[in-house]
Amino acid sequence: KAGVTQTPRYLIKTRGQQVTLSCSPISGHRSVSWYQQTPGQGLQFLFEYFSETQRNKGNFPGRFSGRQFSNSRSEMNVSTLELGDSALYLCASSSGQKETQYFGPGTRLLVL
Amino acid sequence: GENVEQHPSTLSVQEGDSAVIKCTYSDSASNYFPWYKQELGKGPQLIIDIRSNVGEKKDQRIAVTLNKTAKHFSLHITETQPEDSAVYFCAATLPTSGKLIFGQGTTLQVKP
Repeated sequence: KAGVTQTPRYLIKTRGQQVTLSCSPISGHRSVSWYQQTPGQGLQFLFEYFSETQRNKGNFPGRFSGRQFSNSRSEMNVSTLELGDSALYLCASSSGQKETQYFGPGTRLLVL
Repeated sequence: GENVEQHPSTLSVQEGDSAVIKCTYSDSASNYFPWYKQELGKGPQLIIDIRSNVGEKKDQRIAVTLNKTAKHFSLHITETQPEDSAVYFCAATLPTSGKLIFGQGTTLQVKP
């Protein structure tokens, strides 16, 4: 089975721009979660989607949003980028809410 | 909210020695505890996990133990090899939520 894929792998943006990141879960997985990883804050939960519905949300500002499509693929969007948004954004998929999460390789975002 | 503390932050061992990483969680309702290994430039990879109804789990050179009374769990790696060098993260999750709360990570260096 193919693993979780994320595109793009690397991205450079400037402050004030917006960005959209994409995640394709493992085939058959219906739950997708997003995490932000930074050296200072570690791995922090952003949000979780299951069957196109957001089930959980972390403590991030409203500039961070996401959605899930009927084929379980997910996107996250960050508007009005700030320097502090530079991070590795990780997507994880699982077959259900209480099941094991498998991570993709991440998208490294640099905001200049 | 749930919090996970991980120690040590760095660990250096000689090849063939054992390595132990410890985590403590704050919410006694947490019921699922995975461990992830992250190599440079990659996403976290699940190496072993344990649920709250089990006290110990083993997979070849890797084992995890859980003490629910003390609210801590540990990762044990025996006969370490240079390829074990990576950053290891513990995590915990509540039964009502699919989100993983991660520890701060341990950088393990195995010297040949």
